[in-house]
Amino acid sequence: QSALTQPRSVSGSPGQSVTISCTGTSSDVGGYNYISWYQQHPGKAPKLMIYDVTKRPSGVPDRFSGSKSGSTASLTISGLQAEDEADYYCCSYAGNSVVFGGGSRLTVL
Amino acid sequence: EVQLMESGGDLVQPGGSLRLSCAASGFTFSSYAMSWVRQAPGKGLEWVSTISDSGDSTYYTDSMKGRFSISRDNSKNTLYVQMNSLRAEDTAVYYCARQVRGWHFDCWGQGTLVTVSS
Repeated sequence: QSALTQPRSVSGSPGQSVTISCTGTSSDVGGYNYISWYQQHPGKAPKLMIYDVTKRPSGVPDRFSGSKSGSTASLTISGLQAEDEADYYCCSYAGNSVVFGGGSRLTVL
Repeated sequence: EVQLMESGGDLVQPGGSLRLSCAASGFTFSSYAMSWVRQAPGKGLEWVSTISDSGDSTYYTDSMKGRFSISRDNSKNTLYVQMNSLRAEDTAVYYCARQVRGWHFDCWGQGTLVTVSS
């Protein structure tokens, strides 16, 4: 149950797009389409932003999108806004368990 | 409104025990699997354990098997985790989360802090 690999930090200017990658193995990301992404602001609980690789819960802006290729999932945030600055975590089902990524800090310049 | 509220976090000595609770409201608790996820200070999220909607099935991350025990009382809309043989590395904020199909967590509590230190 090793953590999924994410870049420690990403950044972009307002209005730009950024993509956060999440690399696993055939036992997790590559083996299932149960990938989710969570946004966490400092001192707050995580918030579900993407589930089932590409789906958005009600209320999540369509600026957030997800994708997957092989054992790598990605979260893309387009039209960056100041309030998007936060930590982002990917998560994958791994057979009666889940594994999270190490997290990526998004800085909006 | 869906609400999850954890309680029971405290300062405990290494080797000690603690039971956390999570009170749920605003949804049919008995229809959902529930989980505990923790976050050590300054670190990332770590899945701890999941229990099925009925309580018949439980799942744990390897490092906590045998030390942690998840349970639920559907009549009280409450989730629990009993933590034994606590170690310094168990120091974390513990979140309870509602789990939906695909093992996603769509609702989270505000967390409760467990500190293991002498």
